Amino acid sequence: DVKVTQSSRYLVKRTGEKVFLECVQDMDHENMFWYRQDPGLGLRLIYFSYDVKMKEKGDIPEGYSVSREKKERFSLILESASTNQTSMYLCASKIAGTRTYNEQFFGPGTRLTVL
Amino acid sequence: GNSVTQMEGPVTLSEEAFLTINCTYTATGYPSLFWYVQYPGEGLQLLLKATKADDKGSNKGFEATYRKETTSFHLEKGSVQVSDSAVYFCALSMDSNYQLIWGAGTKLIIKP
Repeated sequence: DVKVTQSSRYLVKRTGEKVFLECVQDMDHENMFWYRQDPGLGLRLIYFSYDVKMKEKGDIPEGYSVSREKKERFSLILESASTNQTSMYLCASKIAGTRTYNEQFFGPGTRLTVL
Repeated sequence: GNSVTQMEGPVTLSEEAFLTINCTYTATGYPSLFWYVQYPGEGLQLLLKATKADDKGSNKGFEATYRKETTSFHLEKGSVQVSDSAVYFCALSMDSNYQLIWGAGTKLIIKP
């Protein structure tokens, strides 16, 4: 089975701190994604990476950056955390290819609270 | 642009009731369609999918048929259980990019 793991289930940080969220997948997937999930808004894409060292902005990249130095690891960075970044963060991965393989596999999520 | 609209929740049903969660889409082309489920405290997992018109996806007693003429992919289950309580997301993807386009999610509550 594909496994996507995230470094923390719960995280509490203070305003202005630099925050790192780590995601690791074990299925050699090329594509990886970071979403945030907020009540009533569904999932919104922050950044995605279609291969190592490649990254693309999603719908809401402001205040975030990412790093993909190795294929299995995709990090989300909050340069200076703010209270409006309190959210559930979900990482996902998928194999590159045709429509048949467009299924994304998700990690359990990190619930981040910024005080 | 491409978009997904699903019915607002929460949807509250009694055990063994029939379930329908509506999902319609707008897409320029022929998307693949998905239903994902998120159980309390967990990440999302794929429930079922369909990649072309008239395909029926099914899993765990849930079904959805890709209807091109009505641009719909409604989720159905004949007899729900308390364990089906979760948030359900409809999504589409196009061949031309890597992303999934998501609906807002529908929370389902099943009462014993």
